[in-house]
Amino acid sequence: QQQVKQSPQSLIVQKGGISIINCAYENTAFDYFPWYQQFPGKGPALLIAIRPDVSEKKEGRFTISFNKSAKQFSLHIMDSQPGDSATYFCAARTPNSGYALNFGKGTSLLVTP
Amino acid sequence: DGGITQSPKYLFRKEGQNVTLSCEQNLNHDAMYWYRQDPGQGLRLIYYSQIVNDFQKGDIAEGYSVSREKKESFPLTVTSAQKNPTAFYLCASTPRGSLQPQHFGDGTRLSIL
Repeated sequence: QQQVKQSPQSLIVQKGGISIINCAYENTAFDYFPWYQQFPGKGPALLIAIRPDVSEKKEGRFTISFNKSAKQFSLHIMDSQPGDSATYFCAARTPNSGYALNFGKGTSLLVTP
Repeated sequence: DGGITQSPKYLFRKEGQNVTLSCEQNLNHDAMYWYRQDPGQGLRLIYYSQIVNDFQKGDIAEGYSVSREKKESFPLTVTSAQKNPTAFYLCASTPRGSLQPQHFGDGTRLSIL
């Protein structure tokens, strides 16, 4: 059972545009929400993360928006670049299961020149 | 450099054979995790360990086994009971109980001969 639902499955954005990926969850025990970026043949790398008591976090071109009441959070990539083309995963962590992460199914982002 | 090393990068399994995937970390992290990644499925938790000599099943543990004899090592055995082992396997670690992100290795791709 997928505890974190991610959309869209794939996304094509022109260079300089804004990429937006959305995630939703049900489990209110989740206490940490990271986003990972993965390139083919590599492991996921942490991009940015947020706690549920914060509504927004910005690091460079990457911003997480968090809506606790709606149980939704999203990643915005400003001024998208071809080098941002990768698969992005949202995740949520619960103190159960040894603080393991529950992942969305991923979004394949292609930024065209 | 500190990090997580997974080996081998590619592995082939014959019918009825057990194979072991290696995961070593020099980050002095207490907790380690194994995830399985299938195309379009995100990452799913196989096993996790929060301390040496202790480990717990994740969501899809059937057909897999692990050991945690040393803090820095968490090998995963894919047994012959795992009928669909073809996947990308990822190992991760984190300081136990903290809000520090999970760090991932670069994975092992397992295929059936």
